Amino acid sequence: TAGITQAPTSQILAAGRSMTLRCTQDMRHNAMYWYRQDLGLGLRLIHYSNTAGTTGKGEVPDGYSVSRANTDDFPLTLASAVPSQTSVYFCASSEGQGAGEQFFGPGTRLTVL
Amino acid sequence: LAKTTQPISMDSYEGQEVNITCSHNNIATNDYITWYQQFPSQGPRFIIQGYKTKVTNEVASLFIPADRKSSTLSLPRVSLSDTAVYYCLVGDILTGGGNKLTFGTGTQLKVEL
Repeated sequence: TAGITQAPTSQILAAGRSMTLRCTQDMRHNAMYWYRQDLGLGLRLIHYSNTAGTTGKGEVPDGYSVSRANTDDFPLTLASAVPSQTSVYFCASSEGQGAGEQFFGPGTRLTVL
Repeated sequence: LAKTTQPISMDSYEGQEVNITCSHNNIATNDYITWYQQFPSQGPRFIIQGYKTKVTNEVASLFIPADRKSSTLSLPRVSLSDTAVYYCLVGDILTGGGNKLTFGTGTQLKVEL
């Protein structure tokens, strides 16, 4: 099985443009997460979804939105990108809503100029 | 929310045992302790999880004292390929904690010849 796939692998985006980062899992996990990773700051949670149809805000949600229309997909949208959103973005999933094992995707490297 | 403190970096040589200690003084009764490993340009990967005493798998051991205010990840006979960042997290694995996990900056382990 593929586990978690993310697309694109990398992207250069002009400031002010919008973009959607895609995340798909094939493990039928209930919970999904979006993190950003910046040098010196570790991984920070942006948004999460405990189950299809629900979403919640993480530590750094401003400038991002998510949707969870079905179990498998959890897209992350930047409505109007700013340079401070330059980062590596990781999508993850876990079987339950608790702090059990999270499975991570390969990441998307985004550069906003 | 239980926060964790771990060393920023550690150095070791191939063949040595490495012990990384994590402090979590305000761990809650239902919290479990989980360790992840992250290689450059990859998402974190689950290593081990435990509640108390000792847990061992094919990769590592996790030692948790009776008061559970700290834990130690033990990597036996490390090799160059164990060079990575190691994260210690605490959270409730059952009732909803996946969105409350804090990865922090982790411990950068460097293994040399």
